[in-house]
Amino acid sequence: TQLLEQSPQFLSIQEGENLTVYCNSSSVFSSLQWYRQEPGEGPVLLVTVVTGGEVKKLKRLTFQFGDARKDSSLHITAAQPGDTGLYLCAGAIRAAGNKLTFGGGTRVLVKP
Amino acid sequence: NAGVTQTPKFRVLKTGQSMTLLCAQDMNHEYMYWYRQDPGMGLRLIHYSVGEGTTAKGEVPDGYNVSRLKKQNFLLGLESAAPSQTSVYFCASSFHRDSNQPQHFGDGTRLSIL
Repeated sequence: TQLLEQSPQFLSIQEGENLTVYCNSSSVFSSLQWYRQEPGEGPVLLVTVVTGGEVKKLKRLTFQFGDARKDSSLHITAAQPGDTGLYLCAGAIRAAGNKLTFGGGTRVLVKP
Repeated sequence: NAGVTQTPKFRVLKTGQSMTLLCAQDMNHEYMYWYRQDPGMGLRLIHYSVGEGTTAKGEVPDGYNVSRLKKQNFLLGLESAAPSQTSVYFCASSFHRDSNQPQHFGDGTRLSIL
């Protein structure tokens, strides 16, 4: 059982549609990061959220950290083919030395 | 800007062979990490280092050893490769252990054990 559960595991949508990816845990995190990974490359950081209830926007991407800092969501508005990739959430627990624990990932395919 | 460089990019080994994966970073980062990525499992931490000359176990350390003799390099060794170690290996580095700090990843080493 993973500490961080991501859902769905796979999402296929048409260009212009909206999508939401969820990241859930029973643990409280000091911060949570979202990464995007493209084939043949390493993950690249999109955003870090640190405060319960925090909302951050990155162009068409909206990230939210749950009030209790146990969950997070990523919402993409009007998805484009360039949004295709593997989205990973990763949580840090201060008591564990702030090492990151990654979710299993959500593979997003945006078809033109 | 090179960032984090991993070598080799691909490797095929036979069961029982040994090899070393090299990670080099040019950002003067203190922290370095080795992860493995398997389908549906995300990234799992193998070993990490909080500075030159130090190493520590992560979530899945069995079958691997590491060394950090120089600040910029972090080596991952497989002494006797097993098919269960077939995976994509990623190295990452960060400036500080502050949870707000991003980890910078290399492009991975794809390792197959036959």
